[in-house]
Amino acid sequence: SQTIHQWPATLVQPVGSPLSLECTVEGTSNPNLYWYRQAAGRGLQLLFYSVGIGQISSEVPQNLSASRPQDRQFILSSKKLLLSDSGFYLCAWSVLGSGGSKETQYFGPGTRLLVL
Amino acid sequence: AQTVTQSQPEMSVQEAETVTLSCTYDTSESDYYLFWYKQPPSRQMILVIRQEAYKQQNATENRFSVNFQKAAKSFSLKISDSQLGDAAMYFCAYRSARWGSNYKLTFGKGTLLTVNP
Repeated sequence: SQTIHQWPATLVQPVGSPLSLECTVEGTSNPNLYWYRQAAGRGLQLLFYSVGIGQISSEVPQNLSASRPQDRQFILSSKKLLLSDSGFYLCAWSVLGSGGSKETQYFGPGTRLLVL
Repeated sequence: AQTVTQSQPEMSVQEAETVTLSCTYDTSESDYYLFWYKQPPSRQMILVIRQEAYKQQNATENRFSVNFQKAAKSFSLKISDSQLGDAAMYFCAYRSARWGSNYKLTFGKGTLLTVNP
């Protein structure tokens, strides 16, 4: 069965410091991968998605970036964190389903990021 | 752009009873997918149920079922025999089935469900 891992689970970082969040998926191949952010008391906002190695699409222009160095690895980065980057970051994956597309997304446990 | 509206910020239900959570959406597309996700205090998003718009039959998953009204653009979630473990934030989400769409899930703002013993 497929599993998805995210680390770290919790992170407290000072403003201006770099960031690297990692997501890996096991038990599947060629998944679509996604990064979402959830601010306190709000719904989820798609930040990046990837349909393959090295293929990244950005939904929201900001100081974050994403990379996919391997088929089942997705990394969210920043060179300099802002206070507004605080939030809950969720990685998700999808594979070809009964609907004929990679329509159903499954989420990881998330990373709580607090920027001080 | 598609929007998803959950008009009930909070709901409560007695254990073993039934509760219905509302969701409406706005789209000009005819083919799409709808989902309900559950987010317990751990904050991991858990898929509860999904519906393909081209299917008229309402999806069911054990105690969870939906009432999908395509013309009304309504997608409500019914939880039967509510259990304490059902307490969570519930999110309704929309995804276009259009080829070349950006795979984005558009979420509502959520409904916080409390289950009373």
